[in-house]
Amino acid sequence: GQNIDQPTEMTATEGAIVQINCTYQTSGFNGLFWYQQHAGEAPTFLSYNVLDGLEEKGRFSSFLSRSKGYSYLLLKELQMKDSASYLCAVRDLGIDQAGTALIFGKGTTLSVSS
Amino acid sequence: DSGVTQTPKHLITATGQRVTLRCSPRSGDLSVYWYQQSLDQGLQFLIQYYNGEERAKGNILERFSAQQFPDLHSELNLSSLELGDSALYFCASSVFGGEGTEAFFGQGTRLTVV
Repeated sequence: GQNIDQPTEMTATEGAIVQINCTYQTSGFNGLFWYQQHAGEAPTFLSYNVLDGLEEKGRFSSFLSRSKGYSYLLLKELQMKDSASYLCAVRDLGIDQAGTALIFGKGTTLSVSS
Repeated sequence: DSGVTQTPKHLITATGQRVTLRCSPRSGDLSVYWYQQSLDQGLQFLIQYYNGEERAKGNILERFSAQQFPDLHSELNLSSLELGDSALYFCASSVFGGEGTEAFFGQGTRLTVV
């Protein structure tokens, strides 16, 4: 099976940098995704990691260490609009042989204040 | 707009009833996923279809069923509804296969069971 852990809540101020951690256990790791979800809205894709290392995309970066079962999402130059839930999700070959089903953690609610 | 369409947006029904939620995936996407999101459980994976066939099963109750039709739209059927089934139900779609193929989410159907 799989187990995905993230902090429940985090707070930060505008302009700051915040790191949201995610640890996971899978039967057959096949990629890790980060999604952003504003309250009552659909999750939207932020980043994807399948190999170890850092992926940078503008103000957002995501890091993966497969040997440690660990990822983080780094948000720089925080803005008020970044207040949302951030969801860590993995693809697990233990769920289906093609490993395409996305399994989500409970998410981290980030509150950005001025 | 993700290109994934879900209907209806809101649904209010009584306990014991049956409802059908509909999802049209993005053009060209062969995989459809269904998720349930309640306040305390986060996004729970229910079931995945690929090109008309069931691909992976998550925490889907026996009272729930789904199917994907030849035109690739999908329906999620919820029967013998209970108060605890009240949640946001999301559909997502993706191109099957390949790495880095993120899932795109529809806006969800908010189901309220009274």
